[in-house]
Amino acid sequence: KLVESGGRVVRPGGSLRLSCVASGFIFDDYGMSWVRQAPGKGLEWVSGLNGQGGSKYYGDSVKGRFTISRDNAKNSLYLEMNSLRAEDTALYYCVRGFSVSYMDVWGKGTTVTVSS
Amino acid sequence: EIVLTQSPATLSLSPGERATLSCRASQSVSSYLAWFQQIPGQPPRLLIYDASKRATGVPARFSGSGSGTDFSLTISSLEPEDFAFYYCQQRSIWPLTFGGGSKVEIK
Repeated sequence: KLVESGGRVVRPGGSLRLSCVASGFIFDDYGMSWVRQAPGKGLEWVSGLNGQGGSKYYGDSVKGRFTISRDNAKNSLYLEMNSLRAEDTALYYCVRGFSVSYMDVWGKGTTVTVSS
Repeated sequence: EIVLTQSPATLSLSPGERATLSCRASQSVSSYLAWFQQIPGQPPRLLIYDASKRATGVPARFSGSGSGTDFSLTISSLEPEDFAFYYCQQRSIWPLTFGGGSKVEIK
């Protein structure tokens, strides 16, 4: 199970930190990703990292603005979001799966709205 | 970036009919392709991975095929709960990418 939190309304240029707590599996055995879905739109992979957090990748639209991290002692995944733009408005899903494994477990998502 | 193009955008069919969805990659992704189902208001669900392997608990009416750049998802006989959105996704080359999605709607 994956449970996200931290989504809220934020002004353009602002910052936000999303969190995801995992349970029911050995967290550090799996790479993890963040995937977002803008209202009425399709899925966009945002960022991912491996089980130990040493390899991190980002989508072009968030590179340099977002930072992914994890704390395996807390079974937690994070997404630090800076310089937020209106186009970052979306439902953000925490997902088990990264490069060598498919995205097979999804949280229910947390909503980020960037608006003045 | 690998672009995944899904077709058709919308497929209108009746329960019991066969549905075939297509996903075309802008360059080869070998067999590193997955299919997801999304019912509105719910998170996506993994249906198919490695192009043709069914995920745990996925009914046998769902099947995937293809390799390289051309893939398809077939639902052999549509059940009411199959009317949903479907997305393909590749994990061959960074960044990971999704197709734009196909909607299977009731005719």
